[in-house]
Amino acid sequence: QKEVEQNSGPLSVPEGAIASLNCTYSDRGSQSFFWYRQYSGKSPELIMSIYSNGDKEDGRFTAQLNKASQYVSLLIRDSQPSDSATYLCAVGPSGTYKYIFGTGTRLKVLA
Amino acid sequence: DAGITQSPRHKVTETGTPVTLRCHQTENHRYMYWYRQDPGHGLRLIHYSYGVKDTDKGEVSDGYSVSRSKTEDFLLTLESATSSQTSVYFCAIRDPDRARSPLHFGNGTRLTVT
Repeated sequence: QKEVEQNSGPLSVPEGAIASLNCTYSDRGSQSFFWYRQYSGKSPELIMSIYSNGDKEDGRFTAQLNKASQYVSLLIRDSQPSDSATYLCAVGPSGTYKYIFGTGTRLKVLA
Repeated sequence: DAGITQSPRHKVTETGTPVTLRCHQTENHRYMYWYRQDPGHGLRLIHYSYGVKDTDKGEVSDGYSVSRSKTEDFLLTLESATSSQTSVYFCAIRDPDRARSPLHFGNGTRLTVT
């Protein structure tokens, strides 16, 4: 059973701080990794994709991948109350067409 | 948005009745997916399609069937709805021409089975 694990939270951070969200996965053959943001009552929205070991930055967001440790993380710098949402980690297909999602981490940014 | 429309957006139905949810895309993508999302379980794959009339089961396919007669439409049918199928259902598409591409989601259908 291929799995993606996330801490459900809530993770509470003050406004302006760095939020760090973590995810581990079980399939060593995985090659693509995604972070989605989901506001309450809305659909998941893609915010980051990462495919190679190391860091990938996009604005206030940085995704980090360590394939040896089977670990993906998302850093949100200068967190804003509007970042309060659930963040889903997803692993792309490995030998199939199936994407596996974690259960998500709820982030609360306190003003 | 990635050109995905789900209908209806909300549906209340009674136990034992058939229900069909529709996903329509304007992107001409070959891959389409149906997920359900429940508290504590996250997104779970019900069925997916890799082409017209080509479908396969996901991890929670019992009680559900799908059909894909046109590239743009992927239908999810609950043959006889049960209360355990109360959930939010999301359709997603993937661009197969982009290596390792992500999924893009529709706005979801909130289904309540009473």
